[in-house]
Amino acid sequence: EAGVAQSPRYKIIEKRQSVAFWCNPISGHATLYWYQQILGQGPKLLIQFQNNGVVDDSQLPKDRFSAERLKGVDSTLKIQPAKLEDSAVYLCASSFRGAADTQYFGPGTRLTVL
Amino acid sequence: AQKITQTQPGMFVQEKEAVTLDCTYDTSDPSYGLFWYKQPSSGEMIFLIYQGSYDQQNATEGRYSLNFQKARKSANLVISASQLGDSAMYFCAMREGYRGSTLGRLYFGRGTQLTVWP
Repeated sequence: EAGVAQSPRYKIIEKRQSVAFWCNPISGHATLYWYQQILGQGPKLLIQFQNNGVVDDSQLPKDRFSAERLKGVDSTLKIQPAKLEDSAVYLCASSFRGAADTQYFGPGTRLTVL
Repeated sequence: AQKITQTQPGMFVQEKEAVTLDCTYDTSDPSYGLFWYKQPSSGEMIFLIYQGSYDQQNATEGRYSLNFQKARKSANLVISASQLGDSAMYFCAMREGYRGSTLGRLYFGRGTQLTVWP
């Protein structure tokens, strides 16, 4: 069974530029999560989707971050415009049904904002 | 207050020995789940083991076991017979209100860097 796929693996941009990350969850997984992991810290949830609906985006900086999950499968996370403090690893995770199921993570996208 | 506390920034263990990684948690919710993940230098978070708050027995998965002490709010990970490939960052995480809740947010600690030496 293929795991969670993410691309790109690495991205370097200058502040005020925009960037987008892509995630393909494990086949059949209804719930998808985006986490932000700043260096030296544990991951922090940005947004949770159940199928193509948002369940929790309370920690998403909505003035610059947006995410969508069209058709309930792939998801895209966008930052526009990026700030220096957005430098982090962005991890995508998925679970089979909902909140009670184990989350399986992808390899992450490492973003550096200069 | 921190929901997950990992007090050991780094731990060292010799190959074939056992090691315990500490984790304490803070919640007022009677229903919660506790997880341990391994993060190698490649960056991927690998699920290791899960313990539910109502589980009577400590969870075990191969060489991993979770020492769950509910009254002390601790969920320590025990790795038996350490291997060189166990060298990685280990994260403890908690999900609150998992029974019937739609919110799957995991709260993570800051992690413990484990180094296994030959």
